[in-house]
Amino acid sequence: AQSVTQLGSHVSVSEGALVLLRCNYSSSVPPYLFWYVQYPNQGLQLLLKYTTGATLVKGINGFEAEFKKSETSFHLTKPSAHMSDAAEYFCAVSPTGNQFYFGTGTSLTVIP
Amino acid sequence: DGGITQSPKYLFRKEGQNVTLSCEQNLNHDAMYWYRQDPGQGLRLIYYSQIVNDFQKGDIAEGYSVSREKKESFPLTVTSAQKNPTAFYLCASSIWGLAGSNEQYFGPGTRLTVT
Repeated sequence: AQSVTQLGSHVSVSEGALVLLRCNYSSSVPPYLFWYVQYPNQGLQLLLKYTTGATLVKGINGFEAEFKKSETSFHLTKPSAHMSDAAEYFCAVSPTGNQFYFGTGTSLTVIP
Repeated sequence: DGGITQSPKYLFRKEGQNVTLSCEQNLNHDAMYWYRQDPGQGLRLIYYSQIVNDFQKGDIAEGYSVSREKKESFPLTVTSAQKNPTAFYLCASSIWGLAGSNEQYFGPGTRLTVT
């Protein structure tokens, strides 16, 4: 069975500080990996994805994530938090590219 | 503009009534999905459909039903058998196939409140 673990359901950072949201997965095969962002009462928007090739993936809004197979991790980072980054973030894994398994989400608060 | 529409945004129903949530996409995607979102639980898959006239149960299908008569449409019915229907419902679509990464595109969601 596939699973996704997001460590920390709530993360707070100061404006301008580093954002680090953690995601670990279990998968029997090298998966496709995704990060989505959700603003209140809205749908999910894709931030970035890892398929094959370069393990450091750059996404929208200055976010990036690194796929580490040995650690089964796909942590999301942003060098400098902005107030507009406050949202819910979801990590997802897809073993085949068709079915998706989501983590429980991390709520990011940015403190001015 | 291509995308996924869900209507209505907010829906209120009395307990014991069936209710149907609409989901339409114009992305020409083969696959469509319904998720339920509750605080602290992430997204849980209710049903998904790979092609027209075919659909599969997800992890929490009990008390829900779907149809896929057209490629563009994947309505979800929340029946009176669903014990706790109040939630935020998200529809998504994607290309179906083994080639490449097929990320999901999400609609804006429908918040259903049953009293």
